[in-house]
Amino acid sequence: DVKVTQSSRYLVKRTGEKVFLECVQDMDHENMFWYRQDPGLGLRLIYFSYDVKMKEKGDIPEGYSVSREKKERFSLILESASTNQTSMYLCASSFGGVGETQYFGPGTRLLVL
Amino acid sequence: KNEVEQSPQNLTAQEGEFITINCSYSVGISALHWLQQHPGGGIVSLFMLSSGKKKHGRLIATINIQEKHSSLHITASHPRDSAVYICAVPLFGGGSQGNLIFGKGTKLSVKP
Repeated sequence: DVKVTQSSRYLVKRTGEKVFLECVQDMDHENMFWYRQDPGLGLRLIYFSYDVKMKEKGDIPEGYSVSREKKERFSLILESASTNQTSMYLCASSFGGVGETQYFGPGTRLLVL
Repeated sequence: KNEVEQSPQNLTAQEGEFITINCSYSVGISALHWLQQHPGGGIVSLFMLSSGKKKHGRLIATINIQEKHSSLHITASHPRDSAVYICAVPLFGGGSQGNLIFGKGTKLSVKP
């Protein structure tokens, strides 16, 4: 079974803090994705990566950065957390190729005070 | 860029009812996905289909490529089916290296 794990299920941070969210997959997937999910807005793509050291901006990259130093690990960084970044963050991975199934982690619910 | 519309947004049913959730998209696609998200957050893939129909237990997914429309049916619904159901298609129809675009989801609540 594909396993995608995220470093925390719940996280509480203060405004201005640097926040690291980590995602690890064990299926040798080429593609990895970070989404945020807010009520009424659905899943929105923040950043994605098709290969090690590769990153591409998604629909809402402002205020975020990412790092992919190893194939299995994709990190999302909030350089200076703000209250409008309070959200559910979901990581996903998939094989390379068009329309492949994405496998999701359990999500991290982040609260920024 | 593909656009995905789901209906209804919210659905309440009585246990045992037959349920249909609809998904329409704007650009021809190679495959369409149905996903399920239970309260608590985890998202799992239910189906990936490119033509016809697929069945898994009480869940049936159909797709009409010409009409750019898919439906997810649940037969003999049960309270444990309560979840958000999400439709997803490739971002640009046939390409773009694996990016999917997601509908906003249909929140299903099945009452005992």
